[in-house]
Amino acid sequence: DAKTTQPPSMDCAEGRAANLPCNHSTISGNEYVYWYRQIHSQGPQYIIHGLKNNETNEMASLIITEDRKSSTLILPHATLRDTAVYYCIVRPGGSNYKLTFGKGTLLTVNP
Amino acid sequence: DAMVIQNPRYQVTQFGKPVTLSCSQTLNHNVMYWYQQKSSQAPKLLFHYYDKDFNNEADTPDNFQSRRPNTSFCFLDIRSPGLGDAAMYLCATSRDLGAGTEAFFGQGTRLTVV
Repeated sequence: DAKTTQPPSMDCAEGRAANLPCNHSTISGNEYVYWYRQIHSQGPQYIIHGLKNNETNEMASLIITEDRKSSTLILPHATLRDTAVYYCIVRPGGSNYKLTFGKGTLLTVNP
Repeated sequence: DAMVIQNPRYQVTQFGKPVTLSCSQTLNHNVMYWYQQKSSQAPKLLFHYYDKDFNNEADTPDNFQSRRPNTSFCFLDIRSPGLGDAAMYLCATSRDLGAGTEAFFGQGTRLTVV
């Protein structure tokens, strides 16, 4: 499975956009990029996923570079409740079930 | 409404005393997973069920077992808990195994071994 690299921590001001980068330079053609987050003492929560195209849902936007070697998760208006560890995960296509978590980025949203 | 429910949220067990953690789901998903998350670490997959088919990760200790009596319920049995088994145990479900499906996690059970 392709490995991902994320900064260990980031800060963001409340109300501003939070842009969380992820490097996955060894990603292969059938691998998806997933983002989950984990608020302290809770289970991980699915945010968004994509293959090639940019994706948007009610929680966030996912921007994948054209070469697919990196991506950015965008929380458009961060709130204090968005403080969490954000995991970028590359998941193989087909029936490979594995969701392998890396170390993630601790995003702290400040008032 | 909670879709993946784990009970209890907190469990204290004695060293060496068998303990069972439970998970139920209202999503009617085919796949159920168990993850272990130790303090300040990322979740680590222990095993999963696809329907009734059990799939163990290669590095999951024999001390950990699982049962899935029906679609809705899955149990994690720790036969002889050691101090090193203290962790958050997370249950998750997904509709299928394909890469385009997301996993839904429960709130976890925090296990303390005394």
